[in-house]
Amino acid sequence: GQQLNQSPQSMFIQEGEDVSMNCTSSSIFNTWLWYKQDPGEGPVLLIALYKAGELTSNGRLTAQFGITRKDSFLNISASIPSDVGIYFCAGQLNRKAAGNKLTFGGGTRVLVKP
Amino acid sequence: EAQVTQNPRYLITVTGKKLTVTCSQNMNHEYMSWYRQDPGLGLRQIYYSMNVEVTDKGDVPEGYKVSRKEKRNFPLILESPSPNQTSLYFCASSSAYSYNEQFFGPGTRLTVL
Repeated sequence: GQQLNQSPQSMFIQEGEDVSMNCTSSSIFNTWLWYKQDPGEGPVLLIALYKAGELTSNGRLTAQFGITRKDSFLNISASIPSDVGIYFCAGQLNRKAAGNKLTFGGGTRVLVKP
Repeated sequence: EAQVTQNPRYLITVTGKKLTVTCSQNMNHEYMSWYRQDPGLGLRQIYYSMNVEVTDKGDVPEGYKVSRKEKRNFPLILESPSPNQTSLYFCASSSAYSYNEQFFGPGTRLTVL
């Protein structure tokens, strides 16, 4: 099936830093989504992108839908300790297809620098 | 409060002993899915349901069964669990009118010995 490559796999943040992560695919998606998972909980939707080239913000988070429709980027500005968690990208080919099937990346684990 | 609930949250069992993980949502959502989460692989869809009595396989359906007899419930059944089904399982639901906003349950951590 389709695969999403998400990088980096993990990163350390220092409070106040800007961080970024990205997701690439071998095939196109028509919707890109970014989720965050806190320990012991299910993923929560952060940002949804519907159009190639679209740039969308949600507070300190900004995500972009790549022009080729094969990639997406998430940036976190001025990071704070509660930004730790696992961030997942997800792609959707067709909004009406297959029970709303999402293809997920492997996740980026964000940790606080000791 | 709008939510997806799963039970149990943690389960340790032995190979071959049938088990069921329940999932229930109170948002009147049409779509429900089961995912498993394994390190480095993200979440992979096991089965999904587009409405009552309508279910279909996802990417990794082998060894699992589901049923959708009522709109709110979507249990995941492992008839004969094996160690490679040790994983973290998530149920998710979404409205037919907002496909990609999936609401996830808190997860069920299953260990098969």
